[in-house]
Amino acid sequence: QKEVEQNSGPLSVPEGAIASLNCTYSDRGSQSFFWYRQYSGKSPELIMSIYSNGDKEDGRFTAQLNKASQYVSLLIRDSQPSDSATYLCAVKGSRGGTSYGKLTFGQGTILTVHP
Amino acid sequence: GAVVSQHPSRVICKSGTSVKIECRSLDFQATTMFWYRQFPKKSLMLMATSNEGSKATYEQGVEKDKFLINHASLTLSTLTVTSAHPEDSSFYICSAEQFFGPGTRLTVL
Repeated sequence: QKEVEQNSGPLSVPEGAIASLNCTYSDRGSQSFFWYRQYSGKSPELIMSIYSNGDKEDGRFTAQLNKASQYVSLLIRDSQPSDSATYLCAVKGSRGGTSYGKLTFGQGTILTVHP
Repeated sequence: GAVVSQHPSRVICKSGTSVKIECRSLDFQATTMFWYRQFPKKSLMLMATSNEGSKATYEQGVEKDKFLINHASLTLSTLTVTSAHPEDSSFYICSAEQFFGPGTRLTVL
């Protein structure tokens, strides 16, 4: 089992729709979770961080965390063509683990928003 | 959010030369920074953890004598690719906390 696993892509949604990105992780002690957007040829850009169970909203983005299920998701409302990118889920390693302090990334989900 | 800068953004060098890449945290102090490498259409690969005032920690398979890391202050880490070869051509990205720098594209001729 991969340490961080994202739903397989690519994902294609029409403009204005909701894009749903999912991620599961194996480190039960992890406390910090991040979603990044990466455009081709660019470095990852942090779009959401979440640390507590529940929902966190920022503009058109909502992150959801369920530590019991070891699941984190990202919803993008009113998707725009400019949202087309690779989305990376990242989990910070917990204290006592082999990846303490490091970010472990999912494989990424390619999102395409078509007009 | 916090800002991490890298310099240079792009470098082209001849095979056998060394290239230094700087990573700075602009508005916060970072005792730990991370260096990644990314090949086209591939995932980020963590190369090493840069620790202020002590030796870097390298990931398995990364040659520490080839990729020299220095973290001399709380806001600056440098990665030097020594005796670069064409296979070292890649996109090198640093991070501090959860923030990434803009990356440095290295091309070795």
